[in-house]
Amino acid sequence: DGGITQSPKYLFRKEGQNVTLSCEQNLNHDAMYWYRQDPGQGLRLIYYSQIVNDFQKGDIAEGYSVSREKKESFPLTVTSAQKNPTAFYLCASSLNPGGRYEQYFGPGTRLTVT
Amino acid sequence: KNQVEQSPQSLIILEGKNCTLQCNYTVSPFSNLRWYKQDTGRGPVSLTIMTFSENTKSNGRYTATLDADTKQSSLHITASQLSDSASYICVLLGASKIIFGSGTRLSIRP
Repeated sequence: DGGITQSPKYLFRKEGQNVTLSCEQNLNHDAMYWYRQDPGQGLRLIYYSQIVNDFQKGDIAEGYSVSREKKESFPLTVTSAQKNPTAFYLCASSLNPGGRYEQYFGPGTRLTVT
Repeated sequence: KNQVEQSPQSLIILEGKNCTLQCNYTVSPFSNLRWYKQDTGRGPVSLTIMTFSENTKSNGRYTATLDADTKQSSLHITASQLSDSASYICVLLGASKIIFGSGTRLSIRP
């Protein structure tokens, strides 16, 4: 079953704790992305990676960190420095970076921090 | 001002009816314009992709149009079904970044 998976679907954390969201793809895509989705707003780019061991900040990277040690995996850590972490997080991948190729999205992780 | 604006924010129609969703943009130039369908609590799924030189693209009951002169795109849904209830997102690939609209929330009533 090819595609992009995210886990867990729902995640609850206490304020002040770091939390890591998983994203895995078996599409052999070079590029991977993390987005945040809030009600009434468009998706906002947190980080993206064009190739293994390389990643770039998006529009709202503060309070987040990522790694890309393997082509298939692009985990996102939401740190305690993120002031408003409760949101729906979407991971995506595309064959190549640059946006010319279709992005495939995972099912998302809903993070609630109290 | 948002570079990609969608209207209406929400829409309710009866099953079997047609509807049209709008996307106005200021991004110029752009490489492609996409429409995505996003079910509640799920990731977006691509419906259509159009380059700036195309003016229409269909995918089953979904037809997207693009008017580069007025900088407008529309998504027309024909003979709506209950499963069409979702958010529909317009996305543009600009010179250096992908820009998402905030979406239209469509509800189909039986």
